[in-house]
Amino acid sequence: DTEVTQTPKHLVMGMTNKKSLKCEQHMGHRAMYWYKQKAKKPPELMFVYSYEKLSINESVPSRFSPECPNSSLLNLHLHALQPEDSALYLCASSQDGGLAGDYFYEQYFGPGTRLTVT
Amino acid sequence: QKEVEQNSGPLSVPEGAIASLNCTYSDRVSQSFFWYRQYSGKSPELIMSIYSNGDKEDGRFTAQLNKASQYVSLLIRDSQPSDSATYLCAVTNNAGNMLTFGGGTRLMVKP
Repeated sequence: DTEVTQTPKHLVMGMTNKKSLKCEQHMGHRAMYWYKQKAKKPPELMFVYSYEKLSINESVPSRFSPECPNSSLLNLHLHALQPEDSALYLCASSQDGGLAGDYFYEQYFGPGTRLTVT
Repeated sequence: QKEVEQNSGPLSVPEGAIASLNCTYSDRVSQSFFWYRQYSGKSPELIMSIYSNGDKEDGRFTAQLNKASQYVSLLIRDSQPSDSATYLCAVTNNAGNMLTFGGGTRLMVKP
């Protein structure tokens, strides 16, 4: 089973709202990721959590705040977003955030949350 | 220079033909390579991973890796209209702790 779930599927929020995106996996994976994907572009990495600790922050604005309450859950808290932040937000997980020998673990994506900021 | 490059397409092939998708990368130390399929409005789905030079086959899909030439390809045999999607090539970065995605190739399989 390689299922990653995300809620909500769609979210519309105003620029003054605070909302959260949620991601869950029950594969025993120890690394979880947030990506942002704009239309007709590839996913862009935002954050990486490895063993519940933030290991990579790709210079993401502070209006995006990640949280990893436990090894199965990943949240992305949103506050004071801009219309240009509208995108598909993807969560992914992998067995580990490091390497299995010389090889990188496979990442599996959730279905995403389509975010619209008005 | 982009780190991972793909022809954006669209690549149009007739049903039943072989579709050949190519990807080049710039970082010689990259060790892990992945192909994802993404249908319009959906999330990327992992279809192949390859780590060693040569071919790796899985059903109708074959991934080919040539580290000396820094390219990885995906062949889809007996292409079906349901294969019509964007195919994303992903390569590990030089630190080996994240993936870099190519821009994707849009494949259209015509009945």
